[in-house]
Amino acid sequence: GAGVSQSPSNKVTEKGKDVELRCDPISGHTALYWYRQSLGQGLEFLIYFQGNSAPDKSGLPSDRFSAERTGGSVSTLTIQRTQQEDSAVYLCASSPRQGRVSEAFFGQGTRLTVV
Amino acid sequence: DAKTTQPPSMDCAEGRAANLPCNHSTISGNEYVYWYRQIHSQGPQYIIHGLKNNETNEMASLIITEDRKSSTLILPHATLRDTAVYYCIVRADQTGANNLFFGTGTRLTVIP
Repeated sequence: GAGVSQSPSNKVTEKGKDVELRCDPISGHTALYWYRQSLGQGLEFLIYFQGNSAPDKSGLPSDRFSAERTGGSVSTLTIQRTQQEDSAVYLCASSPRQGRVSEAFFGQGTRLTVV
Repeated sequence: DAKTTQPPSMDCAEGRAANLPCNHSTISGNEYVYWYRQIHSQGPQYIIHGLKNNETNEMASLIITEDRKSSTLILPHATLRDTAVYYCIVRADQTGANNLFFGTGTRLTVIP
């Protein structure tokens, strides 16, 4: 498809398990962002990838969270030893140029529920 | 990034103009005003942005006060599909800070 694709769309996991969330950005977009949105809250920045530069990890809430982007395209967000407070919608966005957040396109998100 | 203040909710009759206010009294000279919206179960969607001049595109108009301390997003003829949460954020464009801090926004309900 032409948009940002995220999978799975929904994920229910047991507390303490690891989860992987996938993002396929729009082809050719060099910038990729991960955010999360908890119930009733605004978006919270997690991590940003730009080309081959070192990612901006300043938003990751703990060392249980990590992300990688292989070949400058697909990205995977991994949450280890999940906790109930990790329950949220995880959104991925991509944009064609660095810093151009006005051109960012968002995926529909992965709804993570930790039980 | 400067903090923004928006009313938590608003209603608008279908076909009428929806005027969504945003206060950003601490905005810096190099910061833009951005508007996004999020329709239920979808990702955020960019609407419009501006620095100091009023802006208009196919989706909406953005009116920024002369002192830049507040702005209004105008949807000229609201439809039921415009029901969404609308986020106003201010940030400097093209900087090293590539994150978006969204507040809780304004929940706009378009009423038939």
